[in-house]
Amino acid sequence: EVQLVESGGGLVQPGGSLRLSCAASGFSFSQYWMGWVRQAPGKGLEWVANIKQDGSETYHADSVKGRFTISRDNAKNSLHVQMNSLRVEDTGVYYCARWGLSAGLDKWGQGTLVTVSS
Amino acid sequence: QSALTQPPSASGSPGQSVTISCTGTSSDVGGYEYVSWYQQHPDKAPKLLIYEVNKRPSGVPDRFSGSKSGNTASLTISGLQAEDEADYYCNSNAGSHYYVFGTGTTVSVL
Repeated sequence: EVQLVESGGGLVQPGGSLRLSCAASGFSFSQYWMGWVRQAPGKGLEWVANIKQDGSETYHADSVKGRFTISRDNAKNSLHVQMNSLRVEDTGVYYCARWGLSAGLDKWGQGTLVTVSS
Repeated sequence: QSALTQPPSASGSPGQSVTISCTGTSSDVGGYEYVSWYQQHPDKAPKLLIYEVNKRPSGVPDRFSGSKSGNTASLTISGLQAEDEADYYCNSNAGSHYYVFGTGTTVSVL
């Protein structure tokens, strides 16, 4: 069974940093593009970042470019996002998701909550 | 990367059909065949319903169908059921491996 389990969320002050992780199991992790999607409280989904199978290409939304960095460790079947210079508007649930071979996010984690507040 | 435009809400009676639109530009919806749709129930992770405009993953009922015309994609739910009451989001490729979601539509079953 495919599983994606996020961790690392919590409360952080504006300007602070946080590193989220996603543990993948049940599939050949190194064969898939992976991504992060977030959802502010009571709001819609927002694509955050994508990373290629071997980590050689990364893409970040304009709203996080220069502050967030997506990465992966295929040896440990794990996906990460380093979040720096956090802002109040970065608050929300962060989902780890797998890009299926068909350009759709076919598997999602349960999400981890990030709260940026003083 | 502006969010794609969806109507905030849509509704229908059980058995009826509901169509949700997703309007973008020639730089996203109109330029690529990589439009997908997601269903999200309260406090749950999203679920993939449609990919590549009109394809359904295995396990998704054929009551859900997708289409696209120009810069607007659409999701149609036929034979509406109580469990279809949820939020629905479109997503489109916006060049290379950049993506953008729609603003979301809440579907109510009357």
